[in-house]
Amino acid sequence: QVQLQESGPGLVKTSETLSLTCTVSGGSISGNFWTWIRQPPGQGLEWIGCIYFTGSTNYNPSLKSRVTISVDTSKNQFSLRLNSVTAADTAFYYCARGFSYTDYWGQGTLVTVSS
Amino acid sequence: QTALTQPASVSGSPGQSITISCTGTSSDVGAYNYVSWYQQHRGKAPKLIIYDVTKRPSGVSDRFSGSKSGKTASLTISGLQAEDEADYYCRSYTSTTAYVFGGGTKLTVL
Repeated sequence: QVQLQESGPGLVKTSETLSLTCTVSGGSISGNFWTWIRQPPGQGLEWIGCIYFTGSTNYNPSLKSRVTISVDTSKNQFSLRLNSVTAADTAFYYCARGFSYTDYWGQGTLVTVSS
Repeated sequence: QTALTQPASVSGSPGQSITISCTGTSSDVGAYNYVSWYQQHRGKAPKLIIYDVTKRPSGVSDRFSGSKSGKTASLTISGLQAEDEADYYCRSYTSTTAYVFGGGTKLTVL
């Protein structure tokens, strides 16, 4: 059974960089697409972007200028960096497996942006 | 990127059937058969219940079914049960090489 676990700071200062890592267990990161999705508290889901295990990426056009997703196959991990954060970036951040659909999800981690 | 349009809420009694609509455009739902649906219980991560418009992942009840007509996709839940009370989100591939979610629908089982 594939499991995903997000990790990273729960509090980030305004204008700084949000960094999260997703560790995949129970399966290999190779051969799959991996996705980041976020959800502001009490609101809907937003697709951030995804990466193929080879490193090829696709990003939400509305976030593209601030987002970088990377993969480390040796550690079975992939990561999210979001630059120049504001309060609007406060959300639960989920990592998940898949591209056209996401079948395995992490439990999510709340990242709060505050000055 | 404009979110797909879903009703904010729907409700039904146990045993009944309900349908949740997801309306997009000719650049997303109307153009591709990459519509998926997710169920999210309060405080939990979303769970995939339908993919590629009509397909059901292993382990998902056959009470859940998906369809599409033109620019509108639909999720139908038959034989409504108390455990079905949750938020439901649709998602579609778009011509911008990205994905867009619907705004979500809160299902209340009366």
